[in-house]
Amino acid sequence: GQQLNQSPQSMFIQEGEDVSMNCTSSSIFNTWLWYKQEPGEGPVLLIALYKAGELTSNGRLTAQFGITRKDSFLNISASIPSDVGIYFCAGHSWGAQKLVFGQGTRLTINP
Amino acid sequence: DARVTQTPRHKVTEMGQEVTMRCQPILGHNTVFWYRQTMMQGLELLAYFRNRAPLDDSGMPKDRFSAEMPDATLATLKIQPSEPRDSAVYFCASGPNSNYNEQFFGPGTRLTVL
Repeated sequence: GQQLNQSPQSMFIQEGEDVSMNCTSSSIFNTWLWYKQEPGEGPVLLIALYKAGELTSNGRLTAQFGITRKDSFLNISASIPSDVGIYFCAGHSWGAQKLVFGQGTRLTINP
Repeated sequence: DARVTQTPRHKVTEMGQEVTMRCQPILGHNTVFWYRQTMMQGLELLAYFRNRAPLDDSGMPKDRFSAEMPDATLATLKIQPSEPRDSAVYFCASGPNSNYNEQFFGPGTRLTVL
């Protein structure tokens, strides 16, 4: 079945640093989604991408839908303590009836 | 502020007991998903519904798990009998369309089976 490879698995950074993470797939997706999960809560949708090459921002977060349709990137600029959490990518392909999720990137920020 | 709600938030039970988890999807959403999250397996899709009809429950252990949608405002996930390996966080998510590409998650039910 389809699988997503999300990297890195974890990140330890200083407050104020920029963050980059990505997801790659062996197959094509038509939608890429990025979620953030905080302790004790469910994943929250951050950004949805629907078109190859699309670049979308949500505050300090920017995500891109890769041209090949097989990857996506999430960047966080000037990280702050509340950015801590687990970030998940998810992909959806036409005709599929479910999302495929990455394994998550755990972000830890040192103040 | 429309949100998916789940009850209970936490459940501790003994092996062999029945567990029922409930989910209220966002009003107007016609797709509902049940996921299980563990450290080892990450997010696993258990079952999902469209317009209250079950479409796929291949991710569920059929002998002990069952999922239903008695009406458009309630989805249930039952485990009977529960086992320690069922300990996990169970999430419900709902979506506004039949493309399955946008899903909004509830806060989850943390289940511990002793």
